[in-house]
Amino acid sequence: DTAVSQTPKYLVTQMGNDKSIKCEQNLGHDTMYWYKQDSKKFLKIMFSYNNKELIINETVPNRFSPKSPDKAHLNLHINSLELGDSAVYFCASSRGARSYNEQFFGPGTRLTVL
Amino acid sequence: DQQVKQNSPSLSVQEGRISILNCDYTNSMFDYFLWYKKYPAEGPTFLISISSIKDKNEDGRFTVFLNKSAKHLSLHIVPSQPGDSAVYFCASTEGSNYKLTFGKGTLLTVNP
Repeated sequence: DTAVSQTPKYLVTQMGNDKSIKCEQNLGHDTMYWYKQDSKKFLKIMFSYNNKELIINETVPNRFSPKSPDKAHLNLHINSLELGDSAVYFCASSRGARSYNEQFFGPGTRLTVL
Repeated sequence: DQQVKQNSPSLSVQEGRISILNCDYTNSMFDYFLWYKKYPAEGPTFLISISSIKDKNEDGRFTVFLNKSAKHLSLHIVPSQPGDSAVYFCASTEGSNYKLTFGKGTLLTVNP
C-alpha cells in the first residue's frame, strides 16, 4: 500500500535517448515535486506542481519536462539524455504547497546514462 | 552556494549513547527547519521540525535545537538505537516559500 510510488526503480540508457519516470501518490495530496540527488548527495528541487499548476521551476535544462495529468500523478520526461543526468530522482508529495508542510517521498529512480 | 551545510559526512556512536548531528545555514531569511531520515534504497522520511520562534522541539528520543544567532541547529537522539542508522538530512526554508533547501546529509551508524 505504497503512498508515493515511482517507476521504474532503475533506468539504464544510452546518451541521446529520451526517457520518462512516472510518479503516483495515493495520499490525496495536492502538491507534488521532483528532486534530483546527484553524486555530491545534495537533494535539489527541480519542479513542483500544486493542483496541476507549476509553482517551482528551478534552473533545470529544458530537456526536462514535467507533466501532471492529475493531482495524483507527476511524470518527468527527459529528452536527449546526457552523462550528467545520471542521478537518483525522487518524487514527493505534500498537503499544501508551503515548504513547511511535510513531504512524503517515493523510493527514488536511479538513472544511469552510459 | 551551499545555504545548508552538514559538515560531518558520517558519525558513529554506540547503542544507548547520544547522537548529535549538526547543521549550519547561511540564509538569514530561513525561518523553518526540518530533519529527514533516509534508509538505503528508500526515500527520505520526515523526522522532526522547528520554527524559528522556538529554540527547542522534542519528540520522543529526538530533540532539535536551534541557535538563530549562530545559524546553527542540531538533532539529538537519545538513546541511540541500531535502527537509527541512516542518512539524516537537514532542510531549511522561508515559511512563505515553496522550496526546501537540503544539506548533503550525515550518515549515522549506531553500533550494537
